[in-house]
Amino acid sequence: GAVVSQHPSWVICKSGTSVKIECRSLDFQATTMFWYRQFPKQSLMLMATSNEGSKATYEQGVEKDKFLINHASLTLSTLTVTSAHPEDSSFYICGSNYGYTFGSGTRLTVV
Amino acid sequence: SQQGEEDPQALSIQEGENATMNCSYKTSINNLQWYRQNSGRGLVHLILIRSNEREKHSGRLRVTLDTSKKSSSLLITASRAADTASYFCVTMESGGGADGLTFGKGTHLIIQP
Repeated sequence: GAVVSQHPSWVICKSGTSVKIECRSLDFQATTMFWYRQFPKQSLMLMATSNEGSKATYEQGVEKDKFLINHASLTLSTLTVTSAHPEDSSFYICGSNYGYTFGSGTRLTVV
Repeated sequence: SQQGEEDPQALSIQEGENATMNCSYKTSINNLQWYRQNSGRGLVHLILIRSNEREKHSGRLRVTLDTSKKSSSLLITASRAADTASYFCVTMESGGGADGLTFGKGTHLIIQP
């Protein structure tokens, strides 16, 4: 079945630094990847949709300059949290409609 | 935007009992899915039910779908401690395959040994 590999699983970074999260589709080509964010004890909220070879589509209220999304190939989509702050600490997870598959998630803690 | 609404928000039962969670949604859908999320971890796809289906079984799971009422239920029979997790209903809107999946707020299920 379809597998999405997400890396890293967790990361702790200092405030002001940038963090890149990668999602790779291992056995299929993902033309579209969805990025979600989940705060503690809350549901997952769609942040943006990445499309291979074109600009990502961001949901209302999500800063596109802060959350940079790149989908340069059919098997790799990345989310970069730039100039991270403690309020960006959250669980980030990518997902593909192909096989309704999600990555295992990345827990980001900004200190 | 949030579409699914799970009910109850939290549920605590004894091991061996059955657990029922409900989900309501607002728009027309292609399918509805249930996922499980253990604390602080990734999502596990449990079951998918299509809009033209009314009931589906998978092991100890039974899912129903009532498109006239825009609601679904997830029944876990003979619950086990390992079933402790958050459960989300997730919808894909009709014609919305490119718009992502919409998550409900989730039901936090606690199975007491």
